[in-house]
Amino acid sequence: AQSVTQPDIHITVSEGASLELRCNYSYGATPYLFWYVQSPGQGLQLLLKYFSGDTLVQGIKGFEAEFKRSQSSFNLRKPSVHWSDAAEYFCAVGTGGYQKVTFGTGTKLQVIP
Amino acid sequence: GAGVSQSPRYKVAKRGQDVALRCDPISGHVSLFWYQQALGQGPEFLTYFQNEAQLDKSGLPSDRFFAERPEGSVSTLKIQRTQQEDSAVYLCASSLEGFTGELFFGEGSRLTVL
Repeated sequence: AQSVTQPDIHITVSEGASLELRCNYSYGATPYLFWYVQSPGQGLQLLLKYFSGDTLVQGIKGFEAEFKRSQSSFNLRKPSVHWSDAAEYFCAVGTGGYQKVTFGTGTKLQVIP
Repeated sequence: GAGVSQSPRYKVAKRGQDVALRCDPISGHVSLFWYQQALGQGPEFLTYFQNEAQLDKSGLPSDRFFAERPEGSVSTLKIQRTQQEDSAVYLCASSLEGFTGELFFGEGSRLTVL
């Protein structure tokens, strides 16, 4: 069975600073990888996804993520964080087919002025 | 509708009561999922429908949990004889037929069992 580890429960960054959120997955085959964002009181929104091809994927809101098979990682990055990026971020792995997605426990991002 | 709609947004139940949570997916979305999100945790898969067929219910925690989607559109998650450990946010998501890779989530129904 697939699993996802997000080692950082909570991260604080200054507005304008760069951001990297870590994600490691476990899955025997080629994974389908996702990052979702959840703002307070809101549903989860897809930021970006990786299926195949270029290992650096671009998403919405200026986010990008890089798939590294050798490290079983799919870290999320943003060069300059905005206060509106404060939210909880979930990494997820899918198995294809009908898309049974397994989520990590999330990283809560706090942005300070 | 424009997005996935869930109701009620908040539900308080006394232990032992039955509850029903409703999900109205995006029009035309064949696939529908229910997830449970406990406080401080990521969403956990409960069950999956393709149209009216429930193809996977491996995540339902007990036989007190039951989901249906009789006409392939609106879905209801029913929890019988609620327990305190059922307190969580229940998320519904839908996606287009086939493998698109994106789940569209509703805002969730927060259940508190006293």
